Amino acid sequence: GEDVEQSLFLSVREGDSSVINCTYTDSSSTYLYWYKQEPGAGLQLLTYIFSNMDMKQDQRLTVLLNKKDKHLSLRIADTQTGDSAIYFCAERRNTGGSYIPTFGRGTSLIVHP
Amino acid sequence: DSGVTQTPKHLITATGQRVTLRCSPRSGDLSVYWYQQSLDQGLQFLIQYYNGEERAKGNILERFSAQQFPDLHSELNLSSLELGDSALYFCASSVEDVTDTQYFGPGTRLTVL
Repeated sequence: GEDVEQSLFLSVREGDSSVINCTYTDSSSTYLYWYKQEPGAGLQLLTYIFSNMDMKQDQRLTVLLNKKDKHLSLRIADTQTGDSAIYFCAERRNTGGSYIPTFGRGTSLIVHP
Repeated sequence: DSGVTQTPKHLITATGQRVTLRCSPRSGDLSVYWYQQSLDQGLQFLIQYYNGEERAKGNILERFSAQQFPDLHSELNLSSLELGDSALYFCASSVEDVTDTQYFGPGTRLTVL
């Protein structure tokens, strides 16, 4: 199938905001997700957004959804060194009759002190 | 801790061999998913089981098979192993609500020599 696209790397300074972008493929996707993977660990759900929403805020995290352009972004305010990880965007896609998250390749966020 | 357990954590084996990876889902989750994560392919969905039955298939090779047992734990069997099968294998489980939120295990790192 078509790919969910993300840039591979993002480097920010501690205290700045980070914005991770993603383009997805299926305009009928009902849920879009952001997962975080720390070194040596599995993926952890950070947040999700339903397709009838434009924005969702959860503490330092803000998700923006542009359905027209099939663009999703994750903003992390006041980025900390502990936010260094790989961030995966995923769309809920119909796979053979079941809805399976389809993941991007992940964006490595590097936070400099 | 997601509540999903996977064993073993690491596995080193030779080409041509067969291995079995094990996953226990979160208590109450009926769905189990298997993913392969490699540097060149990213996170690839392999297969989903729901309450003992296969529900969806992704990019799973014919040399690979899986099953889900009555106690809901799942096993992924990889046979005739090749060097290219070296990867991280993740199991995830979900409660099958409308969001299909998945909870990932810590993964099994397979190295084929």
